[in-house]
Amino acid sequence: GAGVSQTPSNKVTEKGKYVELRCDPISGHTALYWYRQSLGQGPEFLIYFQGTGAADDSGLPNDRFFAVRPEGSVSTLKIQRTERGDSAVYLCASSLGDSGSPLHFGNGTRLTVT
Amino acid sequence: GEDVEQSLFLSVREGDSSVINCTYTDSSSTYLYWYKQEPGAGLQLLTYIFSNMDMKQDQRLTVLLNKKDKHLSLRIADTQTGDSAIYFCAETTLNDYKLSFGAGTTVTVRA
Repeated sequence: GAGVSQTPSNKVTEKGKYVELRCDPISGHTALYWYRQSLGQGPEFLIYFQGTGAADDSGLPNDRFFAVRPEGSVSTLKIQRTERGDSAVYLCASSLGDSGSPLHFGNGTRLTVT
Repeated sequence: GEDVEQSLFLSVREGDSSVINCTYTDSSSTYLYWYKQEPGAGLQLLTYIFSNMDMKQDQRLTVLLNKKDKHLSLRIADTQTGDSAIYFCAETTLNDYKLSFGAGTTVTVRA
């Protein structure tokens, strides 16, 4: 079946602009995660949804970052007033939502802030 | 993250076995995972093990877990050029759903 789909695959924006990154999880997966991966590092947790609600947003770095999942499927990560330090690969993952269920990742969106 | 540590690089000859090591600090870690990342791609789940297991084998992959030392290893038998990638160790605890990742081990397979 189809895996996790992320769009766009690449996004270049100017400092100060607003961006939206989209994630379409595996059908039937109730849990959805956003991670951020900087060059040479492992993924860092941003936010986790169980259904429509954000169950854990402790990884969001500041209030410029926000994510929604209004119908419990597709999610959008929104970044306001982008900064050069926001440049990274943003990874989305989904899982069945049970404790220990493995996460299945998309190919990520590479965000470059110039 | 700081809770999971891995060596950064491993070079192995084609056909030999690779062993990638990982240590974690949280004694309550319940689930441990290995992911593979090829250039420009997302993370591919390779295998995972629950803390009530010591070993898990899946074709060329063998995972060993030493809970006392909080040490996890991934052995790849008969390493091929297609195994060249970055390998991430990750852990989570019971009732927590987010994974904590190591910085990744870059495996280079040489002919």
